[in-house]
Amino acid sequence: GENVEQHPSTLSVQEGDSAVIKCTYSDSASNYFPWYKQELGKGPQLIIDIRSNVGEKKDQRIAVTLNKTAKHFSLHITETQPEDSAVYFCAASIQADSWGKLQFGAGTQVVVTP
Amino acid sequence: DAGVTQSPTHLIKTRGQQVTLRCSPKSGHDTVSWYQQALGQGPQFIFQYYEEEERQRGNFPDRFSGHQFPNYSSELNVNALLLGDSALYLCASSLNLAETQYFGPGTRLLVL
Repeated sequence: GENVEQHPSTLSVQEGDSAVIKCTYSDSASNYFPWYKQELGKGPQLIIDIRSNVGEKKDQRIAVTLNKTAKHFSLHITETQPEDSAVYFCAASIQADSWGKLQFGAGTQVVVTP
Repeated sequence: DAGVTQSPTHLIKTRGQQVTLRCSPKSGHDTVSWYQQALGQGPQFIFQYYEEEERQRGNFPDRFSGHQFPNYSSELNVNALLLGDSALYLCASSLNLAETQYFGPGTRLLVL
């Protein structure tokens, strides 16, 4: 089955700097890649997603890139703010086969210091 | 626009007991998936319901079962609870088995 690895496990950045989180997946049939933000005591919140027919997607300060050949995708957060502090999860899904089952990475704890 | 809701928010049970968790999907959604999130880990897929049927199942034992009602809400049942079942149980909803899933706040289960 699909396996998703996520790095780093923790990331400390100064406010205003950029943060980058990287994920790799094992199954080349994966075709949907969402990113979730989870704050303490809350459920995961979808922040951006990308499909395999797109190489890059941007939404304000957040962007995601996908390299299908290398089977990896990354989340980029620019101009980080203290409210960006949370755990971020990447996930992968094979829509044609698994009806939307999401395979998650282990998460990245992001700490933005003022 | 009502988001995904789950009840209860917290629950404490003892080993061997049974538990039922409830989920109401986001307004307009008809597909419900359940995930288990152990402390410090990513969510693990349990199963997915659509049209009142289990459509996909992850690597969880038969002690985990579910149900979907005609109004699209869903229940997760866990029998013969083990200490290792302590986790945050998340419900996610989507429309027509689509890949985009929205999560609820979860139910925190503690098994003593």
